[in-house]
Amino acid sequence: KAGVTQTPRYLIKTRGQQVTLSCSPISGHRSVSWYQQTPGQGLQFLFEYFSETQRNKGNFPGRFSGRQFSNSRSEMNVSTLELGDSALYLCASSAVGVEQFFGPGTRLTVL
Amino acid sequence: EDQVTQSPEALRLQEGESSSLNCSYTVSGLRGLFWYRQDPGKGPEFLFTLYSAGEEKEKERLKATLTKKESFLHITAPKPEDSATYLCAVRGNSGGYQKVTFGTGTKLQVIP
Repeated sequence: KAGVTQTPRYLIKTRGQQVTLSCSPISGHRSVSWYQQTPGQGLQFLFEYFSETQRNKGNFPGRFSGRQFSNSRSEMNVSTLELGDSALYLCASSAVGVEQFFGPGTRLTVL
Repeated sequence: EDQVTQSPEALRLQEGESSSLNCSYTVSGLRGLFWYRQDPGKGPEFLFTLYSAGEEKEKERLKATLTKKESFLHITAPKPEDSATYLCAVRGNSGGYQKVTFGTGTKLQVIP
């Protein structure tokens, strides 16, 4: 079974730009969660989608948004990028209510 | 609010020197406690799920245990390839929604 895939793997943007990250979950998994990981803060929960509906949201500003498509693939968007948005963005998929499986992440650098 | 605290933050062991990592948690309606291993620059790799106090899971040199307030990840006779950051997470059920909360991890270094 193929694992979680994320594209792109690396991204360099400048302040003020926007970015869209993509995640394809494990086949059959309908729940997709997004996390931001930085050296100082660890894994911070962004949001979770299930069957195209946002089910839960972390404490991030409205510049961070996401969506899920009918095939369970998910995208997250960050608008008006700031230097502090530089991080590893991780996507995780799960069957309902059990462990999450993570993708390799997208490394975003904001200059 | 659910909380997960891992200790120590960092641990340095000689090859073959067994030890334990700790994960203390407070959660509303525990729906599972998870252990992950993360190598630098990569996504976390799933290791174990524990659901109830007294449960134990084993995989090679790793053994995870669970009580009502904490979980331990025991590493027996570690090898250099066990060097990684180990993350603990809980899935809680609060207000009708399930949410996963991660600890900040224990960075393990195993010296040959």
